[in-house]
Amino acid sequence: NAGVMQNPRHLVRRRGQEARLRCSPMKGHSHVYWYRQLPEEGLKFMVYLQKENIIDESGMPKERFSAEFPKEGPSILRIQQVVRGDSAAYFCASSPATQTYEQYFGPGTRLTVT
Amino acid sequence: GQNIDQPTEMTATEGAIVQINCTYQTSGFNGLFWYQQHAGEAPTFLSYNVLDGLEEKGRFSSFLSRSKGYSYLLLKELQMKDSASYLCAVRDSSGGYNKLIFGAGTRLAVHP
Repeated sequence: NAGVMQNPRHLVRRRGQEARLRCSPMKGHSHVYWYRQLPEEGLKFMVYLQKENIIDESGMPKERFSAEFPKEGPSILRIQQVVRGDSAAYFCASSPATQTYEQYFGPGTRLTVT
Repeated sequence: GQNIDQPTEMTATEGAIVQINCTYQTSGFNGLFWYQQHAGEAPTFLSYNVLDGLEEKGRFSSFLSRSKGYSYLLLKELQMKDSASYLCAVRDSSGGYNKLIFGAGTRLAVHP
């Protein structure tokens, strides 16, 4: 049973470019969460999605960031016009529909903005 | 508001016992998790407490006191591979659904 998959694992973008981060949840999981982690800091919640629905995006910056979890395919975190401050590790986690237990984390995407 | 505090760094000796504390304030508490995160890797689940008391799992134990807003993670018979960050996370249900709020993590260094 494959775990949570994220790609790419490492992504380098120049300032002003777009970054697209993908997350495939564990099989049978319909809840997806995105977190950002700056160096030497904890995980900061960004957005919580279910299939075709954004449940909570209170942790997302108001501009340039968007997320989706379509009926088919992976969840996408999109960052437009990236800036140096966007450099971080972005982790995706998933949980079962009942959402009663732990979230399972993917290996993360490390975004570097040059 | 929500607030989770844990020490930034700790050091300990191989074979010893270490206790990592976590205090929290949240409006919709619905459980507390501990995760382990090695540098450059994803967090991995260690323990979960929703009722007061101690949960033991091998060398790791976790304690919760809901009235005090306090938890600790106890690591026994420390090994070098236990050097990692330990993240305390509170599950908050105040929004009508569950959301994990993470502390900043405690970096544990185990030395010979």
